[in-house]
Amino acid sequence: EIVLTQSPTTMAASPGEKVTLTCLASSSVNYMYWYQQKSSASPKLLIYYTSILASGVPDRFSGSGSGTSYSLTISSMEAEDAAIYYCLQLTSTPYTFGAGTKLELK
Amino acid sequence: EVQLVESGGGLVQPGASLKLSCVASGFTFSDYWMSWVRQTPGKTMEWIGDIKYDGSYTNYAPSLKNRFTISRDNAKSTLYLQMSNVRSEDTATYYCTRVALFDYWGQGVMVTVSS
Repeated sequence: EIVLTQSPTTMAASPGEKVTLTCLASSSVNYMYWYQQKSSASPKLLIYYTSILASGVPDRFSGSGSGTSYSLTISSMEAEDAAIYYCLQLTSTPYTFGAGTKLELK
Repeated sequence: EVQLVESGGGLVQPGASLKLSCVASGFTFSDYWMSWVRQTPGKTMEWIGDIKYDGSYTNYAPSLKNRFTISRDNAKSTLYLQMSNVRSEDTATYYCTRVALFDYWGQGVMVTVSS
């Protein structure tokens, strides 16, 4: 099973600040997927195939990485970005999620 | 508009069985693999398994394979999750999602296992 380790676990960012979240895989994966979850809502797809923005996602979000190291970047933090972010690997079953990064507004 | 609507959750006693449903609309259900994912109260996300578009093949998380069964009825655009011998650690919100990208998720249904 591929284990995904997200860091940091929790962080706070000020409006306008650049934010980078990391997801490390225990084995190489082909792509990484990123999801945003606000309060009690369902997860929302943000980025697929490592770097492609899902429909309707603001372009302040971007994804990068390869092999075992991936990241999600918010170029300029906005209040509405406060949420939990999860990475997901679909390279091999069982598909696995990271534990999440809770991003708060400072 | 793609919609996934789960139902069938609730309070269930340890050792009991429960069947969740997920009704899909807004896309051709029979063209897609579908999956179940659960989220614990502590926010941990766990993939349960998935099913091929025609129902001919299923895949499960090893830890759940012996107790959970995924099925589908393409005529009704409905996905199912049969849970048996439930345990307290099965307490979670259960989501159905469309595979390939996990791009659409239902609103989730809560299952609480407690005596």
